[in-house]
Amino acid sequence: ETGVTQSPTHLIKTRGQQVTLRCSSQSGHNTVSWYQQALGQGPQFIFQYYREEENGRGNFPPRFSGLQFPNYSSELNVNALELDDSALYLCASSSGGGAEQFFGPGTRLTVL
Amino acid sequence: AQTVTQSQPEMSVQEAETVTLSCTYDTSENNYYLFWYKQPPSRQMILVIRQEAYKQQNATENRFSVNFQKAAKSFSLKISDSQLGDTAMYFCAFPRGGGSQGNLIFGKGTKLSVKP
Repeated sequence: ETGVTQSPTHLIKTRGQQVTLRCSSQSGHNTVSWYQQALGQGPQFIFQYYREEENGRGNFPPRFSGLQFPNYSSELNVNALELDDSALYLCASSSGGGAEQFFGPGTRLTVL
Repeated sequence: AQTVTQSQPEMSVQEAETVTLSCTYDTSENNYYLFWYKQPPSRQMILVIRQEAYKQQNATENRFSVNFQKAAKSFSLKISDSQLGDTAMYFCAFPRGGGSQGNLIFGKGTKLSVKP
């Protein structure tokens, strides 16, 4: 059974640029959640996708957007990058009947 | 507002000893899960243990156990026979909106160092 994978591992961008982060969910999981973890903080919920539809959103501006594909993999897009967007971005997948979110290793984004 | 508070930013323990990490939370939900996650330096968040709020019995997973006090909204994690591999950040979390599948609200974490 393949776990949750994320790409890329690290990314460096400059302010104002756009970035796309990718997540492959664990086999059998139809729900993907994205979290932003600033240095020294706990993860903060960005949004969740369930069967290709957004299913809940945290307190993040519209320049944070996402997609979920028919195979349940997902993308997180961030436009007009700001310095404060520098963080570890975590993806987690889960199944409808489960009580656990399985996390990927994260993508470290640095905005200069 | 639903919140999670971890009041111990850092803790250290000697190998083979026992350590307890504290967590308090606030929610108006009645049925929900509570979780402890471990995040080692490799960054991958790993579920350590979970507790169902409607169960009075405290959850146990090998060396890890919780002390769940629903009325006090307290959910502490006890690690027995600490091992060097337990060195990590530990986060307490519960789903916004109750239940088990909602988006998770995390505390700020406790950095645990296990010393040889």
